[in-house]
Formats: sequence, structure tokens, C-alpha cells
Amino acid sequence: GNSVTQMEGPVTLSEEAFLTINCTYTATGYPSLFWYVQYPGEGLQLLLKATKADDKGSNKGFEATYRKETTSFHLEKGSVQVSDSAVYFCALTGGGNKLTFGTGTQLKVEL
Amino acid sequence: NAGVTQTPKFQVLKTGQSMTLQCAQDMNHNSMYWYRQDPGMGLRLIYYSASEGTTDKGEVPNGYNVSRLNKREFSLRLESAAPSQTSVYFCASRDRAATEAFFGQGTRLTVV
Repeated sequence: GNSVTQMEGPVTLSEEAFLTINCTYTATGYPSLFWYVQYPGEGLQLLLKATKADDKGSNKGFEATYRKETTSFHLEKGSVQVSDSAVYFCALTGGGNKLTFGTGTQLKVEL
Repeated sequence: NAGVTQTPKFQVLKTGQSMTLQCAQDMNHNSMYWYRQDPGMGLRLIYYSASEGTTDKGEVPNGYNVSRLNKREFSLRLESAAPSQTSVYFCASRDRAATEAFFGQGTRLTVV
């Protein structure tokens, strides 16, 4: 079946540091890929998505590129802020409209 | 702009009790999902409904049942609650496979 593997957290960075959160996936066919963010006490909300190979999703300074050759969708941001502290989830949709999530990576940004 | 509404927000149950978690969406979405979130485990899919009239098991369906009552509503039932079902439960909906899923605020369930 489909699966998503994310790097373990928590990730602790200083403000303005560069962020990478790794995500790799296993799926048949051509899945759509997503990054969701969860702020404390809230549900998840979509951060960005990519629906085909080589697509780049971007939003709020975050980017991720759909790499089919390495089955990866790594999340990056050039300069993180304290307000980016949250849990980030990589996810994919394969056949049958099932939406599968990774285990999440907690990000803490300090002044 | 209600989006996805879950009730209740908090619940404490005794082992063996039953309850139903309610979820409703007002976005005319075809697909609806129930997840549980546990520390270190991420979100695990319990059941989903790709369209009105259909339901399918996810990764962790044991101990749960669902009903897609109509296009708007998708309920999750615990027939005999167990401490292992202590978790935060999220309902989500979306229109099609490549589109954004919208999540409710969650139900924090404790089984004692």
C-alpha cells in the first residue's frame, strides 16, 4: 500500500535559519503530494501541493518539488520565523481517493 | 464559513461505553475521512467515504464503525470503548483526489 516517511522531530532552529524537512513516499502510479501544517490545538490546513512530477508547490515562503525519480517531496524555507513553529505533515493521495499521512515533524523556531 | 464541524470537542468515556462522533461539512464535498492522531504516530486513517453511499476501511478500523448518512454527514461510532481508543479524532472532507482536504477542529476522547 501507499506510505509516507518523514524525518523525525523535533527540529529546533534559530529564527532566519534555513529549513528542510525530508519526505519520501511509496506509491503506485502517479500520486498527488501535499504538505499540511498543524498549529497547536487546531486541525490541519493545507500548506502546499503538487500533482505531477517536477511540479513545485509554494506558499508563505515554503516550497517543495515533486521528484518522481527519488520519490521525494522535501519541504524547504529559506528563512524561518517564530510563527512557523508547528507540526508539518507530508501526505499523498493514490488510487481510490485515500489520503495517507506521514508521522509529522515538529518544528520549533527560537529567537 | 463553517467548513467541517465536529461534535463533541471533548469527551470522557468509561471502558465499555459507546458513543458516536459527529461530522458535517457544508462544502458539497464528495469524500470524507476519519483519522486518529496519537503522539509519535501521526494521523492514521480509520475509515473513509469516497462518495455518498460508500465507505472503506483505512489502516486502523478495528473497534469502529461509520455511517455516511448523506453527502454532508459522516459519523464514527465506538461500540464498546477501550483505553486504547484514547486519542484525538479528526474528520476531513474534500472534493476530489488532487484537491485540498479540509479538517475539523478535532475531538479529544479519553477512555478511562
